[in-house]
Amino acid sequence: KAGVTQTPRYLIKTRGQQVTLSCSPISGHRSVSWYQQTPGQGLQFLFEYFSETQRNKGNFPGRFSGRQFSNSRSEMNVSTLELGDSALYLCASSLLQQNTEAFFGQGTRLTVV
Amino acid sequence: AQSVTQPDIHITVSEGASLELRCNYSYGATPYLFWYVQSPGQGLQLLLKYFSGDTLVQGIKGFEAEFKRSQSSFNLRKPSVHWSDAAEYFCAVGAKAAGNKLTFGGGTRVLVKP
Repeated sequence: KAGVTQTPRYLIKTRGQQVTLSCSPISGHRSVSWYQQTPGQGLQFLFEYFSETQRNKGNFPGRFSGRQFSNSRSEMNVSTLELGDSALYLCASSLLQQNTEAFFGQGTRLTVV
Repeated sequence: AQSVTQPDIHITVSEGASLELRCNYSYGATPYLFWYVQSPGQGLQLLLKYFSGDTLVQGIKGFEAEFKRSQSSFNLRKPSVHWSDAAEYFCAVGAKAAGNKLTFGGGTRVLVKP
């Protein structure tokens, strides 16, 4: 069974641009969550989608958005990139609607210059 | 809101010695608790989880953790560390009715001396 797949693995963008990251969950998993990991702030929850609906949202500005498709694949978008958005973005998939273990992808390393 | 504290930022341990990583959580009800491990540049791998029942849980790679409600702790242990255990370890808490959202501690980086 394939794990969680995140693409691309590495990305370099310029301040002010926008970026889209992709996540394919484990087959059969319907919940996808996104996290931002930085040395200063650690691992912070961005949002969670279940059956194409956003169920939870972390404390991030509106520049951060996401969506989930009918096949459970998810994308997150960051508009008007800032230097502080440089981070490892991790996607996690879970089988059920709540309180099930999360399986993480290897992440997308975003560098904003 | 829930929170997680990992008091030790770095721990150095000799290969073959025992390891204990501390985790304290704050949550009003019975939490769902997890330990994850992260190697450099990689994602997170689940070591073990506690949802209910037996307070001593066994995980992969020889790790175990004990849930102590009275101390709001969920410490991770391994009797004998291998060089491959060098990594960063994260404790996380999930809240009932909060979907699959996890709140993570700051992490503990483990260095293994030969």
